[in-house]
Amino acid sequence: SQELEQSPQSLIVQEGKNLTINCTSSKTLYGLYWYKQKYGEGLIFLMMLQKGGEEKSHEKITAKLDEKKQQSSLHITASQPSHAGIYLCGATVPAGANNLFFGTGTRLTVIP
Amino acid sequence: GAGVSQSPSNKVTEKGKDVELRCDPISGHTALYWYRQSLGQGLEFLIYFQGNSAPDKSGLPSDRFSAERTGGSVSTLTIQRTQQEDSAVYLCASSSGGGPYNEQFFGPGTRLTVL
Repeated sequence: SQELEQSPQSLIVQEGKNLTINCTSSKTLYGLYWYKQKYGEGLIFLMMLQKGGEEKSHEKITAKLDEKKQQSSLHITASQPSHAGIYLCGATVPAGANNLFFGTGTRLTVIP
Repeated sequence: GAGVSQSPSNKVTEKGKDVELRCDPISGHTALYWYRQSLGQGLEFLIYFQGNSAPDKSGLPSDRFSAERTGGSVSTLTIQRTQQEDSAVYLCASSSGGGPYNEQFFGPGTRLTVL
């Protein structure tokens, strides 16, 4: 069963625009991870959130985990072509699990 | 090494053949994970190692799939009698410990194509 739903599945934006990717679960998320993947490469760790209401930023990327720990959003400000790739959210569901369940990914294209 | 490495990077095999995929985790990482990424299925968990033992094999799709880890380091994922539906990118990850709050570092993956 699909534990994590990501939206949108695909996103095309003009360079300089802001965008948001969402990751939603019907269950409480533990250790919510955001990764980025480029074709032919492994997953690049972006951020990890674990507390309800937590927000982290790195450069132009901000990730939030809602108070109920069932939804996370990834926001990119002033997008650049280097942001293009597939963004994956992953989380351990249920608590105590070691492996990550992943969303289906969001393919981001940034048009120069 | 500096990161997780996997070999081969690409593997093309004929249906019915056995294949072995190798993962070298980050030195000192006790936890090791195998995932599979295929079209339409996303990224799926296969197996988790803590040291040399595998407390969670729940993601292995059939008994044709097996994995071992030796010396608490290198792991090998073996697929016997490969089928076309086994075609996917196989990703390995390692972390300093198990549980939900230890970042998993991923390797570049092995792209397996079964003809």
